[in-house]
Amino acid sequence: KQEVTQIPAALSVPEGENLVLNCSFTDSAIYNLQWFRQDPGKGLTSLLLIQSSQREQTSGRLNASLDKSSGRSTLYIAASQPGDSATYLCAAPTGGGNKLTFGTGTQLKVEL
Amino acid sequence: DAGVIQSPRHEVTEMGQEVTLRCKPISGHNSLFWYRQTMMRGLELLIYFNNNVPIDDSGMPEDRFSAKMPNASFSTLKIQPSEPRDSAVYFCASSSYGTSGGTDTQYFGPGTRLTVL
Repeated sequence: KQEVTQIPAALSVPEGENLVLNCSFTDSAIYNLQWFRQDPGKGLTSLLLIQSSQREQTSGRLNASLDKSSGRSTLYIAASQPGDSATYLCAAPTGGGNKLTFGTGTQLKVEL
Repeated sequence: DAGVIQSPRHEVTEMGQEVTLRCKPISGHNSLFWYRQTMMRGLELLIYFNNNVPIDDSGMPEDRFSAKMPNASFSTLKIQPSEPRDSAVYFCASSSYGTSGGTDTQYFGPGTRLTVL
């Protein structure tokens, strides 16, 4: 059974700081891993999907890495902005199909 | 594209009543997922369909919950009878099930906030 853990559960940083969010998973037989963002009262928005053949995926100020052997993924946010404040969730496939197991998320607050 | 559409956005009902949540996936997507999110348990997958066929319903809490997908553009999640512990936000998501065996990005709807009194 896939288990996904995210550390830290909450993070508060000043604007402009670079930061790293961590995700670990127990079943490394995955073909991809996804990072999502959730704003309060809203649905989830996909940020990045990393295929197992990739080690990194970049979108703007976001960079996600995947290390299957260690069961870890990181989301790097450069030059954080108040608009980045949200909950960030990672999700890993379970059981070989297209079912995802989500972590409990990291709640990020970027302060002016 | 309008994205994943869910209705209603908010539902308040009394214990024992039947509740039906609706979802229209993104056109062309062949996988559909129903999730439930609570503060205590986070985001949980209830059931998912590939090509309108239920693949895994192991997350459905009990027989009071049922889901259908009569065609590629519509799905329902029904709770009968509803109980206060069913209060949560219910999300529908859709994606393309890739030819490589993997799944593409899941796109989420805005959710239905259900309150059972």
